[in-house]
Amino acid sequence: EDQVTQSPEALRLQEGESSSLNCSYTVSGLRGLFWYRQDPGKGPEFLFTLYSAGEEKEKERLKATLTKKESFLHITAPKPEDSATYLCAVQEDGSRLTFGEGTQLTVNP
Amino acid sequence: DAGVIQSPRHEVTEMGQEVTLRCKPISGHNSLFWYRQTMMRGLELLIYFNNNVPIDDSGMPEDRFSAKMPNASFSTLKIQPSEPRDSAVYFCASTSRLNTGELFFGEGSRLTVL
Repeated sequence: EDQVTQSPEALRLQEGESSSLNCSYTVSGLRGLFWYRQDPGKGPEFLFTLYSAGEEKEKERLKATLTKKESFLHITAPKPEDSATYLCAVQEDGSRLTFGEGTQLTVNP
Repeated sequence: DAGVIQSPRHEVTEMGQEVTLRCKPISGHNSLFWYRQTMMRGLELLIYFNNNVPIDDSGMPEDRFSAKMPNASFSTLKIQPSEPRDSAVYFCASTSRLNTGELFFGEGSRLTVL
């Protein structure tokens, strides 16, 4: 069974303080790894897809990277509006996406 | 585009009652998913449909849960009878690009079973 573990569970940063979120996974054949953002009271919002080790994707202050065992979501000079829960998900064969439990990020002004 | 539309947004019911949650996917999307989110278990896939056909219902907890997709623009998730442990936020998501993992989620239906 797919295992997706995210760390830390919660992270508090000061505005401008860069950091990284981790998503480690165990799947027999990774088809894709996905990052989502979820704001309180809302559904998850898609951010990135990564398909193979070494791949990187960027969007504004966010950069996602992928190795054979884990993915990182790097947040550079975060702002308060980056506060949210960040979810990663993996897709093995077939179409099922298995989500991790998320990292709750708070960025203080 | 209106996005994925779910109703009701909030439902409070008593144990034993029937609950029906509704979802209208984004027009043109051919895959539809029902997820459940709780603090304890996170986001769990219940069932997904491709071209209105159920493909994987292995996440449906038990026979009390059923889902239908009578046409491309409408799906329901029914719980009968409901129990307090069914309390959760239920999300519907759709996509036309399943291989990219890019799902479009609705805002969810928060269910409380007393």
